[in-house]
Amino acid sequence: GAGVSQSPRYKVAKRGQDVALRCDPISGHVSLFWYQQALGQGPEFLTYFQNEAQLDKSGLPSDRFFAERPEGSVSTLKIQRTQQEDSAVYLCASSLEEGRSSPLHFGNGTRLTVT
Amino acid sequence: AQSVSQHNHHVILSEAASLELGCNYSYGGTVNLFWYVQYPGQHLQLLLKYFSGDPLVKGIKGFEAEFIKSKFSFNLRKPSVQWSDTAEYFCAVTSNTNAGKSTFGDGTTLTVKP
Repeated sequence: GAGVSQSPRYKVAKRGQDVALRCDPISGHVSLFWYQQALGQGPEFLTYFQNEAQLDKSGLPSDRFFAERPEGSVSTLKIQRTQQEDSAVYLCASSLEEGRSSPLHFGNGTRLTVT
Repeated sequence: AQSVSQHNHHVILSEAASLELGCNYSYGGTVNLFWYVQYPGQHLQLLLKYFSGDPLVKGIKGFEAEFIKSKFSFNLRKPSVQWSDTAEYFCAVTSNTNAGKSTFGDGTTLTVKP
């Protein structure tokens, strides 16, 4: 497709359930990022992939959060035993190159609500 | 650690008014600066970016921003706003120490009244 695709758009989970969020980046984009955006705030960095390698996962809030990009394309963000504080919009972004100068292309996000 | 501060949380203007949205960052090294925009119901998209050279950069839809290194600022401006500029605007910074990871401000919601 022409842009970054994320699914599902909306996800409601009961507390304690596991969820998996999918990101399909722009074809050929080397870098892939996951961000978490709480209501009224800017995106907060979670993790970064360069191709299939996860180079930075310093933003993952707990060991319940896990991300993978096994073939250097599609990525999945998994949250185990969801908690109410996990409710947020999860944004995926990709960029053509590695490094600080390459702008991000964002998907529409997945809005997760934990009840 | 780097951080970005956007001082205006919500700005309301009438059409044809001039716009300036503030953005300040804290980082002493080499930075790249970005403004992203999110129109209602759409995804975040790049408005403009600064890498090096001329500190006055021009973006899409008549927007521009000026990088003032001494003030750690990258304010966004537009001489005459339109109703279609109603959106949320985010300032972001990357640095040479974090492999492209962007740090975002909390955003400014702009409402333009027709």
